[in-house]
Amino acid sequence: GENVEQHPSTLSVQEGDSAVIKCTYSDSASNYFPWYKQELGKRPQLIIDIRSNVGEKKDQRIAVTLNKTAKHFSLHITETQPEDSAVYFCAASRGGSYIPTFGRGTSLIVHP
Amino acid sequence: GAGVSQSPSNKVTEKGKDVELRCDPISGHTALYWYRQSLGQGLEFLIYFQGNSAPDKSGLPSDRFSAERTGGSVSTLTIQRTQQEDSAVYLCASSSAGSDTEAFFGQGTRLTVV
Repeated sequence: GENVEQHPSTLSVQEGDSAVIKCTYSDSASNYFPWYKQELGKRPQLIIDIRSNVGEKKDQRIAVTLNKTAKHFSLHITETQPEDSAVYFCAASRGGSYIPTFGRGTSLIVHP
Repeated sequence: GAGVSQSPSNKVTEKGKDVELRCDPISGHTALYWYRQSLGQGLEFLIYFQGNSAPDKSGLPSDRFSAERTGGSVSTLTIQRTQQEDSAVYLCASSSAGSDTEAFFGQGTRLTVV
């Protein structure tokens, strides 16, 4: 089955800095890579996703890059703000009856 | 439109009792998932329903756990003879098609076994 590794488990940055979270996956057939943000006491919510037919996707201050050859993908947050503080989960999936596999999460702390 | 709804929001039960957790997915969503999240931990997969296919139960931690989905809509997760280690937040999610589409999560049920 799929195995997703996520690093780091904790990331502390100053407001305005950039933050990068990295994930690797094992199943070369995976084709969908979402990122979810979970604020304290809230439900996880999708913030950005990428499919295997593109290498990069941006949405304002967040971007995701995908390297299919190396089987890794990363979340980039620029100009971090305190409200970016949350746990971020990556996931990999190949659709159909295959379950999405989540990383263990990264706790991002943005210090004002 | 309404999102994924779970009930109850909180449940305190005595050890050894059975509990039922309910999930109302977004209307028309064919895929439904149950996850468990212990304090400060990640998302532990429990079970996946996709359309009319047999559910993937590979994540259920023991035979005390079971789930059903009636009419391709509402799902119930049942935990029999609850144990203290069952205490966690149980999250339900649904997606419009397969697992390669966005999952919408419910607010979760916080289960505390005393």
